[in-house]
Amino acid sequence: NAGVTQTPKFRILKIGQSMTLQCAQDMNHNYMYWYRQDPGMGLKLIYYSVGAGITDKGEVPNGYNVSRSTTEDFPLRLELAAPSQTSVYFCASSLNGLNYGYTFGSGTRLTVV
Amino acid sequence: DQQVKQNSPSLSVQEGRISILNCDYTNSMFDYFLWYKKYPAEGPTFLISISSIKDKNEDGRFTVFLNKSAKHLSLHIVPSQPGDSAVYFCASQASNQFYFGTGTSLTVIP
Repeated sequence: NAGVTQTPKFRILKIGQSMTLQCAQDMNHNYMYWYRQDPGMGLKLIYYSVGAGITDKGEVPNGYNVSRSTTEDFPLRLELAAPSQTSVYFCASSLNGLNYGYTFGSGTRLTVV
Repeated sequence: DQQVKQNSPSLSVQEGRISILNCDYTNSMFDYFLWYKKYPAEGPTFLISISSIKDKNEDGRFTVFLNKSAKHLSLHIVPSQPGDSAVYFCASQASNQFYFGTGTSLTVIP
């Protein structure tokens, strides 16, 4: 049972480049989330989705885009990478988003230089 | 604007003793609270939760206490074990979103 799978695990980008962070879950969870964690800070919600075709902004959405065409996948797109986007990115999913804890992926460490 | 705060970045405890991790929140609309544990190079894993209608929830060595009037929750680990060494995040929920604290790094000394 894979749970939540994130790829890649590490990536270095140059300023202005774009990339997509992949996230897939095999638990048939409706809710999926993208968080970023900066050093010494808590996890900040970037975007979330309550089901296929539905996405909403979180606390820190600027500079990112998401899509949710299937229940399983929730990719996060960075269009013009900036040094401020250097962070560890976590994808998570949950069954109904309310009284169940999240299942997190192992994270993607992104450095923008 | 950090709505969930963990004011102790780190905590060291002797094996067998009690570990107490604290968390404060500002939003009175939060109705569900969770603790997550995170090892290096891994994603956080769910540990224990509590609803706002309760003031205590226990699961084995882990107990979470909620004081709504003080907007404070705490996680007690008894007895602490070396394998408990990790970063602990508290999280509070409102409107389909969880807000995470900054984490407390717990070290259990054998």
